[in-house]
Amino acid sequence: AQTVTQSQPEMSVQEAETVTLSCTYDTSESDYYLFWYKQPPSRQMILVIRQEAYKQQNATENRFSVNFQKAAKSFSLKISDSQLGDAAMYFCAYRSRSNFGNEKLTFGTGTRLTIIP
Amino acid sequence: NAGVTQTPKFQVLKTGQSMTLQCAQDMNHEYMSWYRQDPGMGLRLIHYSVGAGITDQGEVPNGYNVSRSTTEDFPLRLLSAAPSQTSVYFCASSYSRADSNTEAFFGQGTRLTVV
Repeated sequence: AQTVTQSQPEMSVQEAETVTLSCTYDTSESDYYLFWYKQPPSRQMILVIRQEAYKQQNATENRFSVNFQKAAKSFSLKISDSQLGDAAMYFCAYRSRSNFGNEKLTFGTGTRLTIIP
Repeated sequence: NAGVTQTPKFQVLKTGQSMTLQCAQDMNHEYMSWYRQDPGMGLRLIHYSVGAGITDQGEVPNGYNVSRSTTEDFPLRLLSAAPSQTSVYFCASSYSRADSNTEAFFGQGTRLTVV
């Protein structure tokens, strides 16, 4: 079974600065997807960024980028130019590439990010 | 597009009561699932379905029942509510095919309190 570990329960960053959230995972599969989801106080789960394991290039979405280290099974999220609206709980999640029952997301325990004005 | 519609948003139950959380999606997704979110534990899979008429258990299925009679709907039933089922519940859907868009779409969540 796959596991996802987020070792930072809470992080804080000054507005406009850069912060990195850590995530490690364990799997015996070679092909999979990794995600970062954001959960603001509204409770809505919002996809921030997605990485396909077979792609060596790190994914980027505007101010959000990842550092994907497949051999080390590490998937960190970097938020540049932090904004007040980035304050939320962030979840790292794993999904197998195979289907027919393996589409489930395995989540980490989350990192609560606070933005300091 | 409505996406994933989950109702109700809040619910208080007494121990022993039963209820159904509703979930509907309009994206023709094959895969639907229910998660519960507890502090410090992330989201854990309760039940899932890969299509109409097909359901299976996830990580924490005890005390919950599901059925899927249509592609669109995937209700979650609490058979006899217990305080341990106090949690936030999320319904999610996605395409099942591994070569397609794998993004999971979530409902807005239900905060359930069992007293």
